[in-house]
Amino acid sequence: QSALTQPASVSGSPEQSITISCTGTNSYSLVSWFQHHPGKAPKLIISEGSKRPSGVSSRFSGSKSGNTASLTISGLQAEDEADYYCFSYGGSATWVFGKGTKVTVL
Amino acid sequence: QVQMVESGGGVVQPGRSLRLSCEASGFTFSGHGMHWVRQAPGKGLEWLAVIWYDGSKESYADFVKGRFTISRDNSKNTLYLQMNSLRVEDTAVYFCARFLGGDPTGTLDYWGQGTLVTVSS
Repeated sequence: QSALTQPASVSGSPEQSITISCTGTNSYSLVSWFQHHPGKAPKLIISEGSKRPSGVSSRFSGSKSGNTASLTISGLQAEDEADYYCFSYGGSATWVFGKGTKVTVL
Repeated sequence: QVQMVESGGGVVQPGRSLRLSCEASGFTFSGHGMHWVRQAPGKGLEWLAVIWYDGSKESYADFVKGRFTISRDNSKNTLYLQMNSLRVEDTAVYFCARFLGGDPTGTLDYWGQGTLVTVSS
């Protein structure tokens, strides 16, 4: 399966909300979202489409409509500036990432 | 706590081989599938391969199939990635990650810090 489609960049002012889309997911798979600060290990922030792991801020939320998954960051903060990736099962025991979205806090 | 440490990266000439290791601790290694993911300079995350918890099955991204081999030694809590016929475009930071759950809903809940592989003449 080819990479999932994400916008290359999204920006917002502090305290605003932003949404990152991820299109091309299979109807039967659930999307995960990762936050990646350069030079660090990627961090799981959403699993199974909308579940937040323990310790992840409630400002992060996930949803899905049709073959498009979305990550919303509410109350945008400076530390949210990072790259964000969606991740999904691609079928036939393969997985695939989105191309990534760079979030900038203005 | 869950920890994974990759090693084995370095500078290698095109066409040569390299084996990466990922030593896991803090969890029952033999109870989890494991994945390799990479990030080339200036590029996004790229899924490479998965191995089942007991080593019974492997799967690869098309672009590494036949060149890379994933394996594990559950007695040593260690995951491996054997990379052969390396190309300049394989230059990347390579991450190992623990798989939680099952397909198609599973995810990668813990990651190592990564090891840098540079393929250059």
